[in-house]
Amino acid sequence: AQTVTQSQPEMSVQEAETVTLSCTYDTSESDYYLFWYKQPPSRQMILVIRQEAYKQQNATENRFSVNFQKAAKSFSLKISDSQLGDAAMYFCAYRSAGRGGSQGNLIFGKGTKLSVKP
Amino acid sequence: EAGVAQSPRYKIIEKRQSVAFWCNPISGHATLYWYQQILGQGPKLLIQFQNNGVVDDSQLPKDRFSAERLKGVDSTLKIQPAKLEDSAVYLCASSFSRGVKTQYFGPGTRLLVL
Repeated sequence: AQTVTQSQPEMSVQEAETVTLSCTYDTSESDYYLFWYKQPPSRQMILVIRQEAYKQQNATENRFSVNFQKAAKSFSLKISDSQLGDAAMYFCAYRSAGRGGSQGNLIFGKGTKLSVKP
Repeated sequence: EAGVAQSPRYKIIEKRQSVAFWCNPISGHATLYWYQQILGQGPKLLIQFQNNGVVDDSQLPKDRFSAERLKGVDSTLKIQPAKLEDSAVYLCASSFSRGVKTQYFGPGTRLLVL
């Protein structure tokens, strides 16, 4: 079974600085997707960024980028120029690309709470 | 485009009572998911629907939890009878199809069982 581990329960960053959130995962599959979701205190889960395992190029979305290391099964999120609105819980998630019964199911880590200091 | 709607937003019940949650996915989304998020943990999938059929309910505690999506649109998740450990946020998500990568989440229903 696949597992996702986020080893940093809490992180803090100064406004305008850069912060990196860590995520490792375990799988025997070769084709899958990885995600970072943001969950502000209002509880609405929002997709931040997505990475396809078959792509070597790291995904980037504005101030958010990932460092995807397939061999090491590592998937970290870098937030540049941090803003107060970035404060939230961040969840790393895994999704199989297979067509079995679990297709589409997301497996989440426990999350990292990010605080942004003004 | 309207997002995923859920109601109620909050619910407090006593153990052994019953409770039901409602979800309306984004229009046109065939796939609907229910997740349970216990405080301090990431969401865990309970059940996945494709239209009105169940495709994965392997993690649903079927002795007390049930879910349906009769017309392939709205869905209801029920707990009967509730236990203290069912206190959690219940998240509904939808996607256009099972093969589509992005799931859109609703605001969740926070359940407290006393």
